[in-house]
Amino acid sequence: DMKVTQMPRYLIKRMGENVLLECGQDMSHETMYWYRQDPGLGLQLIYISYDVDSNSEGDIPKGYRVSRKKREHFSLILDSAKTNQTSVYFCASSPPDAETLYFGSGTRLTVL
Amino acid sequence: GQQVKQSSPSLTVQEGGISILNCDYENDMFDYFAWYKKYPDNSPTLLISVRSNVDKREDGRLTVFLNKSGKHFSLHITASQPEDTAVYLCAAGENQGGSAKLIFGEGTKLTVSS
Repeated sequence: DMKVTQMPRYLIKRMGENVLLECGQDMSHETMYWYRQDPGLGLQLIYISYDVDSNSEGDIPKGYRVSRKKREHFSLILDSAKTNQTSVYFCASSPPDAETLYFGSGTRLTVL
Repeated sequence: GQQVKQSSPSLTVQEGGISILNCDYENDMFDYFAWYKKYPDNSPTLLISVRSNVDKREDGRLTVFLNKSGKHFSLHITASQPEDTAVYLCAAGENQGGSAKLIFGEGTKLTVSS
């Protein structure tokens, strides 16, 4: 069963705290993505990873970093979270030679 | 600026009618175009996609039309059903050696009323 799993589903943090969002996929996809979704802005690409330790900035990388130490795991890290990072974060993966993105169920992050 | 834009944030269609969702893009290099469907509190899922070498693709009730000169593509849903009610996200990108860095539009909320 092809799956992209995100943890946690909901998260509340205080401004200045560190945040770790985890994503896993069981399809051995090389390429993985982190997007955030905000009202009126659609999905904005934060980072893309082409394989282990091969990460590239997306359109809005500021305030975020990522870690990909195993092909099946891709983490998004917020060092010292800000209130404007309150959003829904989606992880996705795509198979080789195909552009189809498989999304996780999202993490709703609230930074107070 | 927004590279991929959906100008209509919402659309209401009667059951049985045709839903037409529109998307405009800016980058001439985009060669892959897709529509994703998203229910509330769920993840987006791919509905239909097309590459730039065709200007139309049909799949059941869904048809994608691509107008490259106008940098515009659209999704037509015939015989619209209440279960088609969802947010529709268009996406475009440039194939880069097997993966595409997809840029998404803001989404159009489609409501099919019975």
